[in-house]
Amino acid sequence: EVQLVESGGGLVQPGGSLRLSCAASGFIFGSYWMTWVRQAPGKGLEWVAYIKQDGSQEYCVDSLKGRFTISRDNAQNSLFLQMNSLRAEDTAVYYCARAKFGETTLTDYWGQGTLVTVSS
Amino acid sequence: DIVMTQSPDSLAVSLGERATINCKSSQSVLYSSNSKNYLAWYQQKPGQPPKLLIYWASTRESGVPDRFGGSGSGTDFTLTISSLQAEDVAVYYCQQYYSTPVTFGGGTKVEIK
Repeated sequence: EVQLVESGGGLVQPGGSLRLSCAASGFIFGSYWMTWVRQAPGKGLEWVAYIKQDGSQEYCVDSLKGRFTISRDNAQNSLFLQMNSLRAEDTAVYYCARAKFGETTLTDYWGQGTLVTVSS
Repeated sequence: DIVMTQSPDSLAVSLGERATINCKSSQSVLYSSNSKNYLAWYQQKPGQPPKLLIYWASTRESGVPDRFGGSGSGTDFTLTISSLQAEDVAVYYCQQYYSTPVTFGGGTKVEIK
């Protein structure tokens, strides 16, 4: 059974940093593109970043470049999102998602999400 | 960036009746080399992550009931629930994965009348 479990969320002050993790199981992690998507409270979905199977290619939405970095550790079956210089508008549930096999951004499995709250 | 516009924002449908949700992209998401529309539909129930329903505009994901159907091409797409069930109450999102950044529509909330 495919499982994606996010962790690392919590309350952080504006300007602070957080590193989110996503533990994957039930599939060959290193064979899939992976993605982070976020959802502000009561709002819609916003795609954040994605990364190639071997980590050699990554893409982050322009508005977050320079502050957010996606990475992965295939030996640990883990996906990460390093978030720096956090702002109130970064408050959201952050989901990790797996792309369908052979695809890059078409996601078929999502974790339950981890809530990040940026507030003083 | 490709802008995805959904309509309506919400709709209330009687049990067993048809629900229709529209999605329009600001540019075509049809890739001419393979004739595929890079358009997906997701269902999100309260407190849950999105669930993939439809991809390539009309291909149902494994396990998705056949009352869910997708249609359209180019810039105009439709998700149809042929006979609404109580468990279909949710917010539905369209998504284009034709180009980065991937973008989503604003969502359509489906309720029971």
